[in-house]
Amino acid sequence: SQTIHQWPATLVQPVGSPLSLECTVEGTSNPNLYWYRQAAGRGLQLLFYSVGIGQISSEVPQNLSASRPQDRQFILSSKKLLLSDSGFYLCAWSGGLAVSSSYEQYFGPGTRLTVT
Amino acid sequence: AQSVTQLDSHVSVSEGTPVLLRCNYSSSYSPSLFWYVQHPNKGLQLLLKYTSAATLVKGINGFEAEFKKSETSFHLTKPSAHMSDAAEYFCVVSELTGSARQLTFGSGTQLTVLP
Repeated sequence: SQTIHQWPATLVQPVGSPLSLECTVEGTSNPNLYWYRQAAGRGLQLLFYSVGIGQISSEVPQNLSASRPQDRQFILSSKKLLLSDSGFYLCAWSGGLAVSSSYEQYFGPGTRLTVT
Repeated sequence: AQSVTQLDSHVSVSEGTPVLLRCNYSSSYSPSLFWYVQHPNKGLQLLLKYTSAATLVKGINGFEAEFKKSETSFHLTKPSAHMSDAAEYFCVVSELTGSARQLTFGSGTQLTVLP
């Protein structure tokens, strides 16, 4: 079966510091991968998605970036964090377009980021 | 363009009574629709999905939803609420965008279950 991991689970970082959040998926190949942010009391905002190694699409312009160095690894980064970057970050995967019925996404446990 | 409207931001029910969480959608094409549940500080868990097969969809934990095209609705129901059902619920529509299917989330409905 497929599993998705995120780490760290919780992170407290000062303003201006760098960020690296990691997401890995097991048990599937060529997944589509997604990064979302959920601010307190709000819905989910899609930040980035990737359909393959090195292929990143950005949905929201900001000081965050994403990379996909391996098929099942997705990294969210920032060079300098802002207070507004605080939130709950969720990684998700779905089957690629070749798997016609795999429209749903499966979510990781999330990372709670607090920028102080 | 697609959108999802969850008609209630908060719903409160007593344990053992029925649950109804309302969702209306807008989509240019035949949509794929989902309900997800999120417990505090946890990731989202897929409850059920509609992908143009049976209009009445059964999911996990006794939940079900009915796709009504004429009403553009996909309401989530459960006959009898349990304390463990207290969580936030998201109605979601899927659309093909570029080379990936993307999800559009509703704003969520917080379900409280009273003893």
